[in-house]
Amino acid sequence: GAGVSQSPSNKVTEKGKDVELRCDPISGHTALYWYRQSLGQGLEFLIYFQGNSAPDKSGLPSDRFSAERTGGSVSTLTIQRTQQEDSAVYLCASSPGWAGYEQYFGPGTRLTVT
Amino acid sequence: KNEVEQSPQNLTAQEGEFITINCSYSVGISALHWLQQHPGGGIVSLFMLSSGKKKHGRLIATINIQEKHSSLHITASHPRDSAVYICAVRWERRALTFGSGTRLQVQP
Repeated sequence: GAGVSQSPSNKVTEKGKDVELRCDPISGHTALYWYRQSLGQGLEFLIYFQGNSAPDKSGLPSDRFSAERTGGSVSTLTIQRTQQEDSAVYLCASSPGWAGYEQYFGPGTRLTVT
Repeated sequence: KNEVEQSPQNLTAQEGEFITINCSYSVGISALHWLQQHPGGGIVSLFMLSSGKKKHGRLIATINIQEKHSSLHITASHPRDSAVYICAVRWERRALTFGSGTRLQVQP
């Protein structure tokens, strides 16, 4: 079946602009995660959604970052007033549940802030 | 200080060699994941384990809960195994915390 998809695959934006990144998880997966991988750095957790529970936003680096998940499926990560340090690959993953499951990763969105 | 430590950071091997990548973590966990990331490619989950040992093809993952240590082994390594291997752990009610990765290059 279809895997996790993300769009766009690449995004170049000017400093100060807002961007929206989209994630389509695997159908039926109740848990959805956003991660960030900056150039030459490791993976960093941003936020996760599990079913109808309140999302865990503990990894969001600033209040310029927000995410929502509509209808328990598609998720959008929004970065307002982008800064150059926001340049990274943003990865989405989903899993059938929160605990005890492998995570399936999307191909990522490469964001470049100029 | 990263709560998840991987070693080595970089590893070059000859085709056919047996490879071991290590991961240590600081406190008890509920699960440990091994991930693979090819250059320019996405991330693939290789294993998720909370105890014992798992095997898939030429890949073997082990975890020692008492020692807070896991190893990923690759038998009969091949150039297509060249990738970054990432260890990630989950503590109760928390999202994944990642190691810095091990960059493996297998030369023909």
